[in-house]
Amino acid sequence: QSALTQPRSVSGSPGQSVTISCTGTSRDVGAYDYVSWYQQHPGKAPKLIISGVTERPSGVPDRFSGSKSGNTASLTISGLQADDEADYHCCSYAGRYSLVFGGGTKLTVL
Amino acid sequence: QVQLVQSGAEVKKPGASVKVSCKASGYIFISYYIQWMRQAPGQGLDWVGLINPTGGITTYAEKFRGRVTMTRDTSTSTVYLELSSLTPDDTAVYYCARDAAAAGALDHWGQGTLLTVSS
Repeated sequence: QSALTQPRSVSGSPGQSVTISCTGTSRDVGAYDYVSWYQQHPGKAPKLIISGVTERPSGVPDRFSGSKSGNTASLTISGLQADDEADYHCCSYAGRYSLVFGGGTKLTVL
Repeated sequence: QVQLVQSGAEVKKPGASVKVSCKASGYIFISYYIQWMRQAPGQGLDWVGLINPTGGITTYAEKFRGRVTMTRDTSTSTVYLELSSLTPDDTAVYYCARDAAAAGALDHWGQGTLLTVSS
């Protein structure tokens, strides 16, 4: 299956909000409410920040929120902080026990 | 605490095979699927496949079928990823992660294993 489509980069100033999109197809993002998002700092393993489209694991600030409309999922980060500067990856269940990831988005906090 | 500890970095020549391990602790091993991903330098994550530790059933991404084998040892709570016929394009960090429902909510990750394929 083809990778999900994410913007290569987004940026925002401290305190602002940014939204990262993740576009798939009717066979993955559009078919299942199993979209997850991961934050990855340089040299580190990814960290789960959103699962099931909208659910935040314990310990993840409510500044991070997820949504989905049709074949596109979105991650919104409000009240940007310096430590939010990282790569963000979306992931969708794609049926038959398979997953598909996006290409990743680099968030720069100006 | 939940931990997934992977084996160390590997350097292989083209055409060789590699076997990477992922040892789980801090939870009931057979209660979670293990997913494998890889990340080439400067690239996004690429799904490799998953294994169900309960019965050892596997699902592999189409691009790796025929070259990848995932196994598990329940006595040591360890899963293995073996990749054969390596090419330089296989150079990447390989990650294991646990998944409660095989639907992509990967709540704990290994530290990653760097595989370098070079002649």
